[in-house]
Amino acid sequence: QVQLQQWGAGLLKSSETLSLTCAVYGGSFSSYYWSWIRQPPGKGLEWIAEINHSGRTNYNPSLKSRVTISVDTSKNQFSLKLRSVTAADTAVYYCARGLYGDYGAFYYWGQGTLVTVSS
Amino acid sequence: QSVLTQPPSASGTPGQRVTISCSGSSSNIGSNTVNWYQQLPGTAPKLLIHSNNQRPSGVPDRFSGSKSGTSASLAISGLQSEGEADYYCSAWDDRLKAYVFGTGTMVTVL
Repeated sequence: QVQLQQWGAGLLKSSETLSLTCAVYGGSFSSYYWSWIRQPPGKGLEWIAEINHSGRTNYNPSLKSRVTISVDTSKNQFSLKLRSVTAADTAVYYCARGLYGDYGAFYYWGQGTLVTVSS
Repeated sequence: QSVLTQPPSASGTPGQRVTISCSGSSSNIGSNTVNWYQQLPGTAPKLLIHSNNQRPSGVPDRFSGSKSGTSASLAISGLQSEGEADYYCSAWDDRLKAYVFGTGTMVTVL
């Protein structure tokens, strides 16, 4: 059974850097892309970025200038850094994995981390 | 930054059939497969439909998906109170080189 467990700071001040990590338990780490997705309170879902085991990445162009996604294959973990946060970055952040052969069909999700940015 | 458009709400009585539309463009739905998610309050989204019309194991056959051109639809037949949730469509966008989600539809059981 695949499980994604995520953690990171939940309260930030404007201009700080958001940092989250997601650990993957079970299944193959090398056969998939690993994504971060966020959801502002009361709003819809926004895909942030994805990475595979070899470090190949894709980023949402609207966030690309501020985001770095990285992977640690020795620990089966991947991480997100979002620089220069503002109140608009307040959201629940999820890590997620898709299905084999349909990487964008996000089947496994982390528990979510509410990140609040205060001014 | 939602590039996929859904109606904000839909409703039906128990047992009825409800359909949710998802409108996109040639760069996303028109050239890639569509996935659908159900999100109950306070929980992570759950994958309902992938590859336009495929149900993951465990998803009831009351949920079905279809795609035509640059639009897609999710149908919920035999609506139940447990179906009250937010529903999102999603697809890869070739122009943005990013996954995009729909605006979301809140389904209410009357």
